[in-house]
Amino acid sequence: GDSVTQTEGPVTVSESESLIINCTYSATSIAYPNLFWYVRYPGEGLQLLLKVITAGQKGSSRGFEATYNKETTSFHLQKASVQESDSAVYYCALGNNNAPRFGAGTKLSVKP
Amino acid sequence: GALVYQYPRRTICKSGTSMRMECQAVGFQATSVAWYRQSPQKTFELIALSTVNSAIKYEQNFTQEKFPISHPNLSFSSMTVLNAYLEDRGLYLCGARDWGGSSYEQYFGPGTRLTVL
Repeated sequence: GDSVTQTEGPVTVSESESLIINCTYSATSIAYPNLFWYVRYPGEGLQLLLKVITAGQKGSSRGFEATYNKETTSFHLQKASVQESDSAVYYCALGNNNAPRFGAGTKLSVKP
Repeated sequence: GALVYQYPRRTICKSGTSMRMECQAVGFQATSVAWYRQSPQKTFELIALSTVNSAIKYEQNFTQEKFPISHPNLSFSSMTVLNAYLEDRGLYLCGARDWGGSSYEQYFGPGTRLTVL
C-alpha cells in the first residue's frame, strides 16, 4: 500500500540553527501522488504547511521548503534558521484523489 | 475562510458502550470527509473516506459495523464508535475537502479525544 516514512523524533535544535526532517514515500496505488507537510502546534489542530503536486517542484511556507523528488521518492522538509515558535509536530503525507496518508510525525523542539 | 469543527472535543465512555462524534464544515462544501484515528504513540490512521452520493470506503482493519458513518449533506458528517474498548481510545480526526474547488487541501478539525474506561 501507500506509505510514508519520516525522521523519527523527537528532534531538538537550537534557535537559528538549520533543520531537515526527512520524508520518503512509497506510492503503489497512486501514479503521481501529491505530497504534503502538515504541522500541529501545541494545543492547536492539524494544519497544512505546504504542498507540492508536481514532481520536481518545490513548495515553501513560513521559511520552510520541500522539494518533490520522484527519483529518490523523497520530500524532505528544510528550514535554514528555526525559531522557538516552530516547535510542533510535523507530518509528511501523500495523497491524490483519496484522503492523505500520514507518516508517524516528527516532534520538533526548538531551544531558545 | 474554511473551518472544520468537531464535537465533542473530549469524551469518556465505558467499555462496551458507544460514542458518536460529529464533524461540521464551515465556509466550503465538504464533498468528501475522511475520518482518522490517532492511537497513543501512533500516527493518524485512515478509517474511512466518505464522499457525498458515493459509497463509504473503509480501510483495512476498519469496518462499517464498528465505525458507522453518516454524511447526509455537504456540511456535516458523523461517525460512531460502537462497542468501544481500550484499543479504540485516541484522537479521532475529521478532514474535509471540497472537490469542486481548485485547492487540493484537506481541512482538519481539532479532533475528538476518546477515553475508554
